[in-house]
Amino acid sequence: QLQLQESGPGLVKPSETLSLICTVSGGSIIDTRYYWGWIRQPPGKGLEWIGTIYYSGNTYYNPSLKSRLTMSIDTSKMQFSLELRSVTAADTSLYYCVRQSLVVIPATIDSWGQGTLVTVSS
Amino acid sequence: DIQMTQSPSSLSASVRDRVTITCQASQDISNYLAWYQQKPGKAPKLLIYDASTLEAGVPSRFSGSGSETVFTLTISSLQPEDIATYYCQQYDTLPCTFGQGTKLELK
Repeated sequence: QLQLQESGPGLVKPSETLSLICTVSGGSIIDTRYYWGWIRQPPGKGLEWIGTIYYSGNTYYNPSLKSRLTMSIDTSKMQFSLELRSVTAADTSLYYCVRQSLVVIPATIDSWGQGTLVTVSS
Repeated sequence: DIQMTQSPSSLSASVRDRVTITCQASQDISNYLAWYQQKPGKAPKLLIYDASTLEAGVPSRFSGSGSETVFTLTISSLQPEDIATYYCQQYDTLPCTFGQGTKLELK
């Protein structure tokens, strides 16, 4: 059964870079049917799609975050990662790594990590 | 971005009630709509995709309908384990976007 596990610092200072890694197990990260992505949820609020990456390195980013965002993938390690630069308190959220089905574009999310809370504070 | 608006924002119902949640898209998204269930402290779970297709393992009391701009999620007979927040998501156009959520509580 596919498992996704987020890892990274739980506390980041304002203006610094938030970096998270997702490790995939129980399935193949080079499965051509899927993209691998990130979704965040501020405490007590709704869901925001951050972006997604294919095993080939092709990416789609949310335009609202694109200028600060870089995603990468390491298929040999079965990992993909997120870097969000110049963070502010508004980036404080629960960050989920996810698997997103490829239809014509990345579509439904059928697997989720447990989520990792990242707080931006000095 | 396509805006997704759910109604109601919260809903109180009794066990065995029929429950309906609506999701409205700001433009035509064909049937590229999914529904998710999120229980407290847990990650969301996919219930329905392509507006009306039940994900494997999801109880048949859940159903979805609609097309273009208006969609509904129906629970035919509410069970205690259905207490959760429900989100719709469009995947017609990137960025994919979610509704604000509907919190379902027991009366």
